[in-house]
Amino acid sequence: QQQVRQSPQSLTVWEGGTTVLTCSYEDSTFNYFPWYQQFPGEGPALLISILSVSDKKEDGRFTTFFNKREKKLSLHIIDSQPGDSATYFCAASNNNNAPRFGAGTKLSVKP
Amino acid sequence: GGIITQTPKFLIGQEGQKLTLKCQQNFNHDTMYWYRQDSGKGLRLIYYSITENDLQKGDLSEGYDASREKKSSFSLTVTSAQKNEMAVFLCASTQGNTGQLYFGEGSKLTVL
Repeated sequence: QQQVRQSPQSLTVWEGGTTVLTCSYEDSTFNYFPWYQQFPGEGPALLISILSVSDKKEDGRFTTFFNKREKKLSLHIIDSQPGDSATYFCAASNNNNAPRFGAGTKLSVKP
Repeated sequence: GGIITQTPKFLIGQEGQKLTLKCQQNFNHDTMYWYRQDSGKGLRLIYYSITENDLQKGDLSEGYDASREKKSSFSLTVTSAQKNEMAVFLCASTQGNTGQLYFGEGSKLTVL
């Protein structure tokens, strides 16, 4: 069963636009929610993360939002750049379980 | 900083063959993971290990064996490769079980 669901599967935005990726999860004990960015031929790398005690975390153009009641999280990229074109994964974990990942969103930013 | 090295980078095998992938990390991390990446399915957890000689099954462990004989290394064996199987296997490590994962570049498996 898919413990973490992610949408959309792929997304194209114009340079300068805002990208929004969303995830939902089942296990209410998950308390750590990272987002990873993966370029072709490379392994995923941590982009930004949030703990369940927070509802928002910002890092430059990247912001992640967390809604504990609805068990949802999202990643917003403002002023999207062609260099942001990559595959993005959300993940969820807790102290007793290894991270589970969403299916990924392939983002393409057109100049 | 540290690095995770996966070998081989590309692996071509025959149906029914036993194939082994290796992963080395120099972060001195306790926990290591193997994930399988298929297009459209994200990363699925195969095995992980929280310390030397420990093994924990993930969601996709059937058809695989793993071994953690040293803190720095974690190997994964495909016990009987399936024809037309193609996937990327990613190794990762972290300190503890909830922090940032550091990934290797992946090993791409093709079964003829």
